[in-house]
Amino acid sequence: AQSVTQLGSHVSVSEGALVLLRCNYSSSVPPYLFWYVQYPNQGLQLLLKYTSAATLVKGINGFEAEFKKSETSFHLTKPSAHMSDAAEYFCAVNFNTGKLIFGQGTTLQVKP
Amino acid sequence: DGGITQSPKYLFRKEGQNVTLSCEQNLNHDAMYWYRQDPGQGLRLIYYSQIVNDFQKGDIAEGYSVSREKKESFPLTVTSAQKNPTAFYLCASSLGQAVNYGYTFGSGTRLTVV
Repeated sequence: AQSVTQLGSHVSVSEGALVLLRCNYSSSVPPYLFWYVQYPNQGLQLLLKYTSAATLVKGINGFEAEFKKSETSFHLTKPSAHMSDAAEYFCAVNFNTGKLIFGQGTTLQVKP
Repeated sequence: DGGITQSPKYLFRKEGQNVTLSCEQNLNHDAMYWYRQDPGQGLRLIYYSQIVNDFQKGDIAEGYSVSREKKESFPLTVTSAQKNPTAFYLCASSLGQAVNYGYTFGSGTRLTVV
């Protein structure tokens, strides 16, 4: 079955440290992939999306993600975490159905 | 500015009552979606609509109903048949079914049963 898995429901980093949030999908056909961010009691905001044009995708707020077909992964990174990055992050995948399937989410904590 | 407006932001429901959550968009998007969010469970699709006067059940449609009489509006009714309605509800829209279209989300409605 097609699915999206985010490894780690909670990730904690120190301010200034590298942020790495993991996302893997299961599908034999490369899908379209998205990362969203959600701040408390708000809706989701699109960070970036992969649509086959380039494997390294740059998004807003200094985030980027790399699509690796061989690893069926689309991990989200940021070189240096800021306190304002603390939020919940969702990986989402469109398996050519027109509907997005969301991962369970990863809460990012940034320690001063 | 274009966007999606959900109202109210907070809603309290007594057991046995039906309540309706509003979702309005001025993005001229064809498709609209309703998701339910519970802690640790990500987003689960309730209903979606690709075109006016048509909608389909998502993964957890039981106890919910929708209508799509206008392109701009996609209200969700939480009926008394929904046994555990306390959750955060998110409405989203997209240009259409194309796979590279992302979703635009509203700011959500938090529903609590009292």
